[in-house]
Amino acid sequence: AQTVTQSQPEMSVQEAETVTLSCTYDTSESNYYLFWYKQPPSRQMILVIRQEAYKQQNATENRFSVNFQKAAKSFSLKISDSQLGDTAMYFCAFSDGQNFVFGPGTRLSVLP
Amino acid sequence: NAGVTQTPKFQVLKTGQSMTLQCAQDMNHNSMYWYRQDPGMGLRLIYYSASEGTTDKGEVPNGYNVSRLNKREFSLRLESAAPSQTSVYFCASSPLAGGNEQFFGPGTRLTVL
Repeated sequence: AQTVTQSQPEMSVQEAETVTLSCTYDTSESNYYLFWYKQPPSRQMILVIRQEAYKQQNATENRFSVNFQKAAKSFSLKISDSQLGDTAMYFCAFSDGQNFVFGPGTRLSVLP
Repeated sequence: NAGVTQTPKFQVLKTGQSMTLQCAQDMNHNSMYWYRQDPGMGLRLIYYSASEGTTDKGEVPNGYNVSRLNKREFSLRLESAAPSQTSVYFCASSPLAGGNEQFFGPGTRLTVL
């Protein structure tokens, strides 16, 4: 069964600085998809970024980018120029086309 | 365009009571999902429906039943609620199963006393 691990339960970062959230996963599949979701205090789940495993190029969405290392099964999220509104739980997720598995989450606090 | 809606937003039950959580999406998505979210455990899949007319068990299906009423609606039923089912429940939908982004509803906070 696939598993997703996020080893940092909590992190904090100063406003305007850069922070990296870690995620590793375990799968025997060669084709799959990886996601980062954000859950602010409102509880709404919001997609931050998506990566297809067959693409070598790392996905980027404005201030959010990933470092996808397929051989190492690692999928970290970098947030640049952190803003107060980035304060949230961040979940790494994996999908092989049938299963959708979430990690336990990292609580990120952006400090003024 | 409301996206994914869930009712109710909050519910308190006594042990042994039954209830149905409702979910609807207006994005013409084929696939729908029910998750529960417990502290420190992320989201765990309860049941999913890859397409209208099909349902499959996820990671934690025990104590739950689902109905894919039509393409828009996917309900989750607790026949005899237990305190272990106290959780936040999320419904989600996606255009197709698998690699597509899932769009989430606002969640239902359920407490079973």
